[in-house]
Parts: sequence; structure tokens; C-alpha cells
Amino acid sequence: RKEVEQDPGPFNVPEGATVAFNCTYSNSASQSFFWYRQDCRKEPKLLMSVYSSGNEDGRFTAQLNRASQYISLLIRDSKLSDSATYLCVVEMDSSYKLIFGSGTRLLVRP
Amino acid sequence: DTGVSQDPRHKITKRGQNVTFRCDPISEHNRLYWYRQTLGQGPEFLTYFQNEAQLEKSRLLSDRFSAERPKGSFSTLEIQRTEQGDSAMYLCASSRGVGATEEQYFGPGTRLTVT
Repeated sequence: RKEVEQDPGPFNVPEGATVAFNCTYSNSASQSFFWYRQDCRKEPKLLMSVYSSGNEDGRFTAQLNRASQYISLLIRDSKLSDSATYLCVVEMDSSYKLIFGSGTRLLVRP
Repeated sequence: DTGVSQDPRHKITKRGQNVTFRCDPISEHNRLYWYRQTLGQGPEFLTYFQNEAQLEKSRLLSDRFSAERPKGSFSTLEIQRTEQGDSAMYLCASSRGVGATEEQYFGPGTRLTVT
């Protein structure tokens, strides 16, 4: 079983749609959680950290459920520029190494 | 540009040859990480340095792989006797190294193709 699992997609949505991605992780000792964004043939970039209380950054909302070992990302009012792969990322035991999911691909169409 | 830089950006080599990649982290970042990414997968952790000390190595890092960060600044990743399975994007990242949880900034990667 992979340590971090995501639906690979692609999610194909129209502009303005709301889309949600889910992710599960297997190690209950995981300490920190993130969503990274990766554009085609580019490096990953941090989108947002995920906190137990949930957090919001503009159109993006991330939530963490430690009991279910589940992380989510909600994107409201999708833009064409949101088209990318979204990587769910977990940091184990404050070890500083990041464990990445395989990514969920989002395509936003006009 | 003050981001993480990697060199070369692309490398094509024949099976059995040795290759070396370089990573220059963001200035004053103490931690440096190497990851490998294959098509359709997320990056996989290989190793990381705190200053010049290599503190953790993944099981993915076979004996053919060696990484160094001799002066705590730039790092090199060498692959000896390359195999076709080594074909991947090799990503370097750095972080400040002063806290428990910090953003890791990634470089553009070195794409290796072994023929």
C-alpha cells in the first residue's frame, strides 16, 4: 500500500466550477501536511500547508482529519490557470523528508 | 535569480556511464534534499543534508548512487554505471533548516535519459 494515496484523475471541469480532491495517508505518526502544485514539466511548488483546524487561502480550502487519516483540497471558482497536478504531501515524524502522493491532475476548460 | 538551481537541466547518457548532477540551494539554506520523479508519479525522497552532514538516505539510493555536500553549500549527486531504470527527473530542494516544518523550495530538476 502506498504511504500517500490520491485519485490520479484527470478531473475535467468548466471554469467557475468547484472541485475537491481527497488524499489518504497510512502512517499515523505523520506530523505535517501540505498540498503542492506542479505544472507540466515544472518543479513542485507549495500551494498551502494543511492544519487540523482547516485553513483557507483565497479560493483554496484545505482540511485535515487525523482520525481518518484524510486530507482534502477544495478549489472554488476554478480558473484556467488552476490546470495542473496537485500533489498531496506528508512529512513523517518531523524527519524533514516529504512523502508525495502520485498527484491528481486537474484540467479546467473554458 | 535567487532560487534553487540545478545543472545540467538535461542529460542523455548511455547505459553503464557515470553521471554527476549539481544543485545550488538558496543562499543560507541549511537543508538540502534530493528527490527522484518518474512520469505519472510524485517525487520520491532520496537523501537530505543538514549543512554538510548527510542525515538520511532512502532505500532507493543504491550503492551506485552517492551524494555529497562538501562545504555545506552546493551538492552533487553521482550515479555510477547508469541503468535504464535510472531515467527520471532528479529534483533538488532546499529549506532554511531552522524549524521543524518548513517549506521546501524545489529547483527545476535534471532530466536524465539512459539509452
